[in-house]
Amino acid sequence: KNEVEQSPQNLTAQEGEFITINCSYSVGISALHWLQQHPGGGIVSLFMLSSGKKKHGRLIATINIQEKHSSLHITASHPRDSAVYICAVRREDTGNQFYFGTGTSLTVIP
Amino acid sequence: EPEVTQTPSHQVTQMGQEVILRCVPISNHLYFYWYRQILGQKVEFLVSFYNNEISEKSEIFDDQFSVERPDGSNFTLKIRSTKLEDSAMYFCATTGVYEQYFGPGTRLTVT
Repeated sequence: KNEVEQSPQNLTAQEGEFITINCSYSVGISALHWLQQHPGGGIVSLFMLSSGKKKHGRLIATINIQEKHSSLHITASHPRDSAVYICAVRREDTGNQFYFGTGTSLTVIP
Repeated sequence: EPEVTQTPSHQVTQMGQEVILRCVPISNHLYFYWYRQILGQKVEFLVSFYNNEISEKSEIFDDQFSVERPDGSNFTLKIRSTKLEDSAMYFCATTGVYEQYFGPGTRLTVT
C-alpha cells in the first residue's frame, strides 16, 4: 500500500516550459518534503512544508492539507533540472518517520 | 554550507559478511536517520535515532541491523550477516529545524 502517490511517473519537457509535479497522500501528515535525486544518486532537499506555499528561485511548492495534495512547480525549466523529484511525508501518527513516493523522472530537452 | 558525509562511497562484500556504514552528521543536528534505496525502487525508511537511542524503526530494520553513535560524532549502520537483498544505496540523513539533509550515500553490493 502506497501512502504517497506521485504523478506523472515520467515527464519530458522542452527547455523553458513550466512544469508541475503532483503528490497525493492518504494519511494525516505533519510535514511534506520535496527532494531532488540526481542521476548519480545524491539526494538534495528542496522544500519542507506543512502549509501554504514556498518559493526558492524557479521552484515553487504548494500544499493543500484538506485535499491531501502538494505540487512542485518549476518555472523556465532548464536541462540541469533533469532529475528525479521525490515527495516524502512525515505521518502525524508515527513521529519522525518519512514515507517516500516513487518519484517523478524529469528530462528537460534543450 | 554544512553537509552530511558518508563512507565508504561503495562497498562490495560477500554474502554472510558483516558491514559497517559510516556517517558524519551535521554537528548541531539531533535526529539521525538511515534510509535505503534498492536499485530502481523508492527510498525506504530504516531507522531514526535521537538522544543516543533508536526512536523509530521500520519492519525492514530487523535483528540483522544495528545503529550506534560510537564516539559522539560518527553514526554507524551495521549489517551483521549480509544477504543478496541487502544490495542497495544506503543514505544517512540528519534533521535541522526545517529540513532533512542527506548524505551522498553508500552503494552496498553483496555478492
